[in-house]
Amino acid sequence: EVQLLESGGGLVQPGGSLRLYCAASGFTFSSYVMNWVRQAPGKGLEWVSLISSSGDATYYADSVKGRFTISRDNSKNTLFLQMNSLRAEETAVYYCTRKYNYAFDYWGQGTLVTVSS
Amino acid sequence: QSDLTQVASVSGSPGQSITISCTGTSSDVGSYNLVSWYQQHPGKAPKVMIYEGSKRPSGVSNRFSGSKSGNTASLTISGLQAEDEADYYCCSYAGGSTFVFGTGTKVTVL
Repeated sequence: EVQLLESGGGLVQPGGSLRLYCAASGFTFSSYVMNWVRQAPGKGLEWVSLISSSGDATYYADSVKGRFTISRDNSKNTLFLQMNSLRAEETAVYYCTRKYNYAFDYWGQGTLVTVSS
Repeated sequence: QSDLTQVASVSGSPGQSITISCTGTSSDVGSYNLVSWYQQHPGKAPKVMIYEGSKRPSGVSNRFSGSKSGNTASLTISGLQAEDEADYYCCSYAGGSTFVFGTGTKVTVL
């Protein structure tokens, strides 16, 4: 059974940093492109970032470019999202998702990031 | 990277059919037949219902169908059931390994 389990969320002050984790199991992690998608409270979904299966190519939404870094450790089946210079409007549930055929076929349960002083 | 436009809410009675539209631009929906649709119940993670415009993942009811015309993609739910009440989001590939989501549609079963 495919499982994606996010962690690392919490309360951080504006301008601060946070590192999110996504532990994957039930599939060959190193064969899949992975993404982060976020959802602010009561709002819609926003694609954040994508990383290739090998980790050598990364892509970002314009809203986070230069501040967020996606990475992965295929030996540990883990996806990461390093978030710097966080803003209040980035308070959201952050989901780890697996990409399959230009869609996101599996999602984690999400981890809540709250940016507030 | 502007959000795709969806109507905020759609409602229907059990058994009826409803259609949710998703309007993008020639840079996303219009350029690729790579729109996916997601169903999200309150407090839950989204679930993919349609991918690559009109394909259904294994286990998704054939009451859900997708199509596209120009810069607008559509999701049709036929034989509406109480369990279909949820938020629905479209998502399009936008080139350069980037994606854009729609603004979301709340479906209410009357």
